[in-house]
Amino acid sequence: TQLLEQSPQFLSIQEGENLTVYCNSSSVFSSLQWYRQEPGEGPVLLVTVVTGGEVKKLKRLTFQFGDARKDSSLHITAAQTGDTGLYLCALSGGAGNNRKLIWGLGTSLAVNP
Amino acid sequence: EPEVTQTPSHQVTQMGQEVILRCVPISNHLYFYWYRQILGQKVEFLVSFYNNEISEKSEIFDDQFSVERPDGSNFTLKIRSTKLEDSAMYFCASSESPGYYGYTFGSGTRLTVV
Repeated sequence: TQLLEQSPQFLSIQEGENLTVYCNSSSVFSSLQWYRQEPGEGPVLLVTVVTGGEVKKLKRLTFQFGDARKDSSLHITAAQTGDTGLYLCALSGGAGNNRKLIWGLGTSLAVNP
Repeated sequence: EPEVTQTPSHQVTQMGQEVILRCVPISNHLYFYWYRQILGQKVEFLVSFYNNEISEKSEIFDDQFSVERPDGSNFTLKIRSTKLEDSAMYFCASSESPGYYGYTFGSGTRLTVV
């Protein structure tokens, strides 16, 4: 069974600071998705990474997919209070017409003013 | 922006009662999913649905669970006889392709079984 571990589990920082959160798999995966979830809401897709070594930027968010395709990171520059939320990574498992997602537990980020 | 709509947002039910959770996926999407999230735990896959049939189901999705796409727009999850441990957030998701490039999730239904 493929497992996804995310670290840290909780992170509390001041506005303006930079941060990095990590997602590690027990085995190689073909693609990984990052989502952000706010309390009482569903996950919202931020990005999908599919190529080893790939780097994608979404404004102040930088996503990296490890060369070995077993890990990924999310770096936020100059965090804002609006970045507060639960950051989840998920990998796409299964085949054919099923691509169920296998999820990490998430990193709960609090950005304080 | 197109969205996945789920109703109700909250449901409280007595143990042993049947509940139906409703979802309206994005209209041109072909792949549909149900996930659940128990408070403080990982999001868990329940079932995937394509071409009017179940593609895969998890161990959680036992005989008490069923899904339907009754009219080409709604996608429902039924729990026949609810248990206390069914209390969770239930999320519906849809995708245009088989989820490889990401899903769109609804806001969820918070189910509380008492």
